[in-house]
Amino acid sequence: DVKVTQSSRYLVKRTGEKVFLECVQDMDHENMFWYRQDPGLGLRLIYFSYDVKMKEKGDIPEGYSVSREKKERFSLILESASTNQTSMYLCASNFRGNYGYTFGSGTRLTVV
Amino acid sequence: LAKTTQPISMDSYEGQEVNITCSHNNIATNDYITWYQQFPSQGPRFIIQGYKTKVTNEVASLFIPADRKSSTLSLPRVSLSDTAVYYCLEIDQTGANNLFFGTGTRLTVIP
Repeated sequence: DVKVTQSSRYLVKRTGEKVFLECVQDMDHENMFWYRQDPGLGLRLIYFSYDVKMKEKGDIPEGYSVSREKKERFSLILESASTNQTSMYLCASNFRGNYGYTFGSGTRLTVV
Repeated sequence: LAKTTQPISMDSYEGQEVNITCSHNNIATNDYITWYQQFPSQGPRFIIQGYKTKVTNEVASLFIPADRKSSTLSLPRVSLSDTAVYYCLEIDQTGANNLFFGTGTRLTVIP
């Protein structure tokens, strides 16, 4: 069964900490995405990547960075976590030009 | 960035057919229409996609009129396990893959 795996299901971090959220897919997909989901706001795109070492800003990139050193892995980095980054973070991937996106189960991050 | 409009919430009794409609007022010629389902504490799951007319799979049917300004997701004989949030999206098949998820439609199935 194809999978997008997010390293943590729940995470609690302190304000100012550097936070890494990891996502791995086993489907050889070119595209990978990071979204955050907040009540009443739906899913909002943070960053996406078309290929290794490629990255594009989404709708809300401020306060985040990403890294894609290998095709199967896409990391989201919070350089200095803040309480307004408390959210559910969802990773997704797909083949280029294909409409079928596969999502991970999400990481619920709480910044205290 | 293409945006869609859909009802915030809907209620239905078990065993009924449910139709959720989405507006696509600015849909581009190259865009397909795709629907996703999301259960609490899980990522969205692909349900169905189409370009025009009607598409049916084992889960749902999708109706898209000729002008493509709307789409209707039809769920036959819903059960309690169909309680979820449903999202309609426009997907650019030329290569740009920036999905726009709105707030979706929260469907509640009542016993």
